[in-house]
Formats: sequence, structure tokens, C-alpha cells
Amino acid sequence: GAVVSQHPSWVICKSGTSVKIECRSLDFQATTMFWYRQFPKQSLMLMATSNEGSKATYEQGVEKDKFLINHASLTLSTLTVTSAHPEDSSFYICSVGKARQETQYFGPGTRLLVL
Amino acid sequence: SQQGEEDPQALSIQEGENATMNCSYKTSINNLQWYRQNSGRGLVHLILIRSNEREKHSGRLRVTLDTSKKSSSLLITASRAADTASYFCAPRGNKLVFGAGTILRVKS
Repeated sequence: GAVVSQHPSWVICKSGTSVKIECRSLDFQATTMFWYRQFPKQSLMLMATSNEGSKATYEQGVEKDKFLINHASLTLSTLTVTSAHPEDSSFYICSVGKARQETQYFGPGTRLLVL
Repeated sequence: SQQGEEDPQALSIQEGENATMNCSYKTSINNLQWYRQNSGRGLVHLILIRSNEREKHSGRLRVTLDTSKKSSSLLITASRAADTASYFCAPRGNKLVFGAGTILRVKS
């Protein structure tokens, strides 16, 4: 499989601040990364697909100006939650997929708590 | 939506028993995948079954797929306490989406 890391693993911030979450593919170059959000006791919801060198594709209902995604290199994608509010508190998980393989490999997740 | 729906929502069994989880979906798929999530962690890929396959095994896992009924099942045999986790099916069309999951608790 692939090794995917996320940083930070958890973060607490005040309402109105911005938080950046990093997703790194450690052992292969990922042209595509995916960002999911998971609320307590719920499933993962795909937020956006991050493409290296181009704009991310957002799912319906996800505000692109609030959740900024940057995929500047083949090993790093970042998700910035701008002007975070308590309702943004969630578990954010990234994943990567290998070319010609259909399995996705997931990072350990980042737990965000907005006070 | 391709999103899978798992059944049951929760399952509690004794160690050594078998656990069966079911998944139904709505549209055509390329494959269907099962993932496990331990509490507060990321997802771990368990097994992938292609649309032209009917059954697949991996260790103590057995997955079936019935495309005519748009359903799949995951069987975990001889369960262990370490199998306690949430299990998600993910029907794959042009992207991977997840159902609500089955929470499995294996009591030792």
C-alpha cells in the first residue's frame, strides 16, 4: 500500500481563525488526493478532489472559498479551513490513489475542534 | 447516488463467532470496496471486488457481490476482539463514496 500522513493530528482553535491541515504521500507521487470530512458517528463525506497543479474539484454543498485546497506538489496537499466556526468541528481525512489502482489509501485523520 | 447503505447499523458478537455485514447500492459500479475504521483513526482498505466477480476471499474475510441485486456482503469468520471497528462499503463508480457503516463490537 501507500503511506499517507496528516499534520496536525488534532487542533483546537478559536472561532474565526483559519486552520491548515497537511496531507503527505510519503512513498509515491500522488497526482490526485481526496479530502473527506466525518462527523461523529457518521460516514465519510467526500469534500473535494485535489489535483496537482490545478484547481480542486469540490462536491456539491462544499464551499470552495471556505475550504481552500492547494496541491502544489505530488506529495503534498493542504486543506485550509478559513474563518472556522464550531460547526466546522469534525474529523478531516485525506486519501491518495495510485495510478491504475482503484484502492485508496487513507491518512490517519485530523481532528478539528473550533471553540 | 452510488453511496452504499450498510446493514445492520450495529452488531455485537462473541469472540470466535462469525460477523456478517451487508451493503446495498443504487447505481452501476466498477467495483465495490470494504474498509475498516478503528475509533478515531483513518480507514484501512480490506478488500476490493470487481463488478464481474461474485466472491472473493482474503484471510478471514469473505466478500460476495450480486450486481443484479446491487448488494454485497462482508463475512468475518472466527472474529477477534481486535476486529472491533466500524466497517464501510464503498461502491466505486467514477469516485469512491461511503455508506454509514456498521459498528462491529466483538466481546472477549
